[in-house]
Amino acid sequence: EPEVTQTPSHQVTQMGQEVILRCVPISNHLYFYWYRQILGQKVEFLVSFYNNEISEKSEIFDDQFSVERPDGSNFTLKIRSTKLEDSAMYFCASSEAGGRNQPQHFGDGTRLSIL
Amino acid sequence: AQKVTQAQTEISVVEKEDVTLDCVYETRDTTYYLFWYKQPPSGELVFLIRRNSFDEQNEISGRYSWNFQKSTSSFNFTITASQVVDSAVYFCALTHKMDSSYKLIFGSGTRLLVRP
Repeated sequence: EPEVTQTPSHQVTQMGQEVILRCVPISNHLYFYWYRQILGQKVEFLVSFYNNEISEKSEIFDDQFSVERPDGSNFTLKIRSTKLEDSAMYFCASSEAGGRNQPQHFGDGTRLSIL
Repeated sequence: AQKVTQAQTEISVVEKEDVTLDCVYETRDTTYYLFWYKQPPSGELVFLIRRNSFDEQNEISGRYSWNFQKSTSSFNFTITASQVVDSAVYFCALTHKMDSSYKLIFGSGTRLLVRP
């Protein structure tokens, strides 16, 4: 069964450094998402992406964050200057379409630890 | 406001017991979908089921069953004859329509521990 893949599984970065989290969505999916889960807390929406542009973003997704689809398969989340509070599990998800009935399929997540 | 409440923070049962995980939601959308996801200790999110707001039929899939009651805004999840491998955090989620797409709003999760 096709799946969303994320790399790396764990990223340790010094505060203030840039970090790029990578995702390969399911190949026929058109909508892409990033969610974040701070340890022990709920999963929160960050951003959705369609047709090579951001569709929606949450208030968490400030100027330090950016997303890109640099080629036909990868979808990346960049944090420009990491802060301690960026430590979390970051999930990439994709869906066939953007409709409400479309399940979003999640990757295994990247655990980001900021020191 | 759109909101999902999972009041049970943690449940502990002995293997083979039945267990029900509660989910209550609030939404202003007239049409919406509800989902359950499982997060095992390894951390990934695994899609279990979706249910649309017009379909109140209960669903059974093996040992899993779901009870959707629109009148009480609840979408509860029952595991029959629980097994140790069912130990995980379970999240209920609700779709919320944004301008051009939908996002998932998650509850805070229920940690289920199934003891041998």
